[in-house]
Amino acid sequence: NAGVTQTPKFQVLKTGQSMTLQCAQDMNHEYMSWYRQDPGMGLRLIHYSVGAGITDQGEVPNGYNVSRSTTEDFPLRLLSAAPSQTSVYFCASSHAQSTGELFFGEGSRLTVL
Amino acid sequence: GENVEQHPSTLSVQEGDSAVIKCTYSDSASNYFPWYKQELGKRPQLIIDIRSNVGEKKDQRIAVTLNKTAKHFSLHITETQPEDSAVYFCAASIKNTNAGKSTFGDGTTLTVKP
Repeated sequence: NAGVTQTPKFQVLKTGQSMTLQCAQDMNHEYMSWYRQDPGMGLRLIHYSVGAGITDQGEVPNGYNVSRSTTEDFPLRLLSAAPSQTSVYFCASSHAQSTGELFFGEGSRLTVL
Repeated sequence: GENVEQHPSTLSVQEGDSAVIKCTYSDSASNYFPWYKQELGKRPQLIIDIRSNVGEKKDQRIAVTLNKTAKHFSLHITETQPEDSAVYFCAASIKNTNAGKSTFGDGTTLTVKP
């Protein structure tokens, strides 16, 4: 099992550009979510999904879109990048019937100039 | 929504000493409290967790205690070692409706000096 795979690991964007962070998991987990990590602010939930075709907003959803067309994939789209979106992004998944443990990807470091 | 506060933000101990990190939560419906360890440049990984029907859980040098009445839980690391140096996050969620929606504390940077 590869677990949770995120790409790219690093990305530099200019203000106004768009991009998609990819996330895939091979553990057949129902739940997937995106968090952003900023210094001193822990992990904040952006969007989450309880299954294919179902998504919902988390704590900081503005400026981001998601979709869940398959159980395995949960891409995060930045529509028009802003410097405030400079952060490290983590995708996570968990099994509906499990303890609730989140399995994280390796993270994607995004810099918006 | 849920609010989780974590203290201290930084903690420095000598090797062999104990370390304690404390968290409080606001939503009495929360029933699952994990602790994640994040080494520099790595992903967070679960080290221990506790459910609301348990007051304490131990795993070798690591223990977690939960006080539901006061809405706080703590991580205890005994006989600390340099490899324990990392950022530790507490979190709270409602397990039965988890959906991956954990609310995290801001993290504690633990430094263990040899």
